Amino acid sequence: GNSVTQMEGPVTLSEEAFLTINCTYTATGYPSLFWYVQYPGEGLQLLLKATKADDKGSNKGFEATYRKETTSFHLEKGSVQVSDSAVYFCALTYHSGSARQLTFGSGTQLTVLP
Amino acid sequence: DAGVTQSPTHLIKTRGQQVTLRCSPKSGHDTVSWYQQALGQGPQFIFQYYEEEERQRGNFPDRFSGHQFPNYSSELNVNALLLGDSALYLCASSQTNRQGETFGSGTRLTVV
Repeated sequence: GNSVTQMEGPVTLSEEAFLTINCTYTATGYPSLFWYVQYPGEGLQLLLKATKADDKGSNKGFEATYRKETTSFHLEKGSVQVSDSAVYFCALTYHSGSARQLTFGSGTQLTVLP
Repeated sequence: DAGVTQSPTHLIKTRGQQVTLRCSPKSGHDTVSWYQQALGQGPQFIFQYYEEEERQRGNFPDRFSGHQFPNYSSELNVNALLLGDSALYLCASSQTNRQGETFGSGTRLTVV
């Protein structure tokens, strides 16, 4: 079946440090890939997405590239801020019949210290 | 523009009881999906509704049921609550055949 494996957390960084959160997936066909962010007490917000191989999604300084050869979609940011502290989820979506559902990784807690 | 609205925000129920959670989708969205997020885990797909019918279901028992109304709003019902049903329940809406789910802030259900 389809699955997403994320780097174990928690991750603690100092402000302005470089961030990488690893994500690999298993899927049949060609899923779309997503990163969602969840701030404390809130729902999920879409951070970025990529719909086909070699696509790069980017938003708010975050980037991730859809690598089909390594089945990966690693999240990166060159200089993190305290406000980036949150839980980050890698996800894929695929069509099952007429429906489309998201499959999530287990999440990576990021804490950025000033 | 209001996003996805869920109610209530928090709920405490006793084991064996039944619960109903509600969701109003984002304006212009016609598809509603429900997810269960246990503490420290990623969300798990429960089911999806479109045109008032369940279109797809995840690996959840029949105790979990839902409904979608003509105005696209939706309810999630859980019968015979178990302690393990304690979780954050997230509703997500989208336009059918278009990617881009919008999530609500969730309902935190605690079963005691």
